[in-house]
Amino acid sequence: NAGVTQTPKFQVLKTGQSMTLQCAQDMNHNSMYWYRQDPGMGLRLIYYSASEGTTDKGEVPNGYNVSRLNKREFSLRLESAAPSQTSVYFCASSFFIAGKTDTQYFGPGTRLTVL
Amino acid sequence: LAKTTQPISMDSYEGQEVNITCSHNNIATNDYITWYQQFPSQGPRFIIQGYKTKVTNEVASLFIPADRKSSTLSLPRVSLSDTAVYYCLVGDKNNDMRFGAGTRLTVKP
Repeated sequence: NAGVTQTPKFQVLKTGQSMTLQCAQDMNHNSMYWYRQDPGMGLRLIYYSASEGTTDKGEVPNGYNVSRLNKREFSLRLESAAPSQTSVYFCASSFFIAGKTDTQYFGPGTRLTVL
Repeated sequence: LAKTTQPISMDSYEGQEVNITCSHNNIATNDYITWYQQFPSQGPRFIIQGYKTKVTNEVASLFIPADRKSSTLSLPRVSLSDTAVYYCLVGDKNNDMRFGAGTRLTVKP
């Protein structure tokens, strides 16, 4: 049981390049999330997927797209990377039940630098 | 969205009890209070969650007064390995909660 896994662990991009961050969970969770964390700051929600087949914007969605590929996988895509997107990206999952807050399980993060 | 306010940093010594208070004056009726812990270069980890009164698990206790406008995370007998950032979140859905800057706890020998 690996929990939440993310690839890659580190990535350096040039401005304008694109890339996809991968996330997978093996806990049979229905909800998945993408966050970014800038130095010295808390996490900010980019996008989330409450269940397979649905995605919604979070607090800071601009410049990102997501795909809920199946129940296990949730990817985050940067179409045209900008230096402002330099950050650590965390994926999380939870077993969401309407009206109840459930524990989120986080992956180890992807450290992205955009030059 | 309920906003939370917590101290930016706290220092403690090994073996002491640490209490971190979080203010959430506009907490809604359905909101839960959740605390996460984050070590450097790692994702946050769930510590404890509560709705009212007191909740205790093997790691910490959470005290919530009757008006629910604040909550206190209590860590008994901290060790060096408890040095981390602690986040207080309030909400009824994970996608509605906000991670603030958290409280950076430093435990000294």
